[in-house]
Amino acid sequence: DAGITQSPRHKVTETGTPVTLRCHQTENHRYMYWYRQDPGHGLRLIHYSYGVKDTDKGEVSDGYSVSRSKTEDFLLTLESATSSQTSVYFCAISDPSGARETQYFGPGTRLLVL
Amino acid sequence: EDQVTQSPEALRLQEGESSSLNCSYTVSGLRGLFWYRQDPGKGPEFLFTLYSAGEEKEKERLKATLTKKESFLHITAPKPEDSATYLCAVQAKGNYKLSFGAGTTVTVRA
Repeated sequence: DAGITQSPRHKVTETGTPVTLRCHQTENHRYMYWYRQDPGHGLRLIHYSYGVKDTDKGEVSDGYSVSRSKTEDFLLTLESATSSQTSVYFCAISDPSGARETQYFGPGTRLLVL
Repeated sequence: EDQVTQSPEALRLQEGESSSLNCSYTVSGLRGLFWYRQDPGKGPEFLFTLYSAGEEKEKERLKATLTKKESFLHITAPKPEDSATYLCAVQAKGNYKLSFGAGTTVTVRA
């Protein structure tokens, strides 16, 4: 998984509870991404970061916030979890310093919101 | 808006029975088209990147090709270990974000 870890790997929480997912990389890649994967929708981008403290929204960012205080860590927070946020969450990293870059994915976090 | 459509949704093959997966796309200037493999309960694993029409890439029993409107992933003489979901994604010029298709789930029976 290209030096990417995600924690926790599985989480069950209740509606209205705040949840934070962590992505940690050992590759020193500049870009980090959070995706969610749902049946029939494929992977959809939630937020991404292009450097420490530099983040931007993806296509499904409502209800999510992110923070990146160190190159190696990218946090995804659900301020008040809802059942529609039950999903599998993947972190990805890339290094666009070259002319062509590829995104590499972590193992995922399976989140169930009851 | 970039769009990616993969077909078929599911493909069941007998071991040794070659076949192809399709990825149709619309993008405002293609920077790259990516193929990933995903096993159940795991993250997507990078396979190939294609950058221009006519380009081909190969890896073991897999071969990816690209035209201006679609990409094909050919599986030659598949084995049960080729069973997985194959994801296609496009990246537009001037953009680092990927737009994914919903995937094709391939099952290869011995």
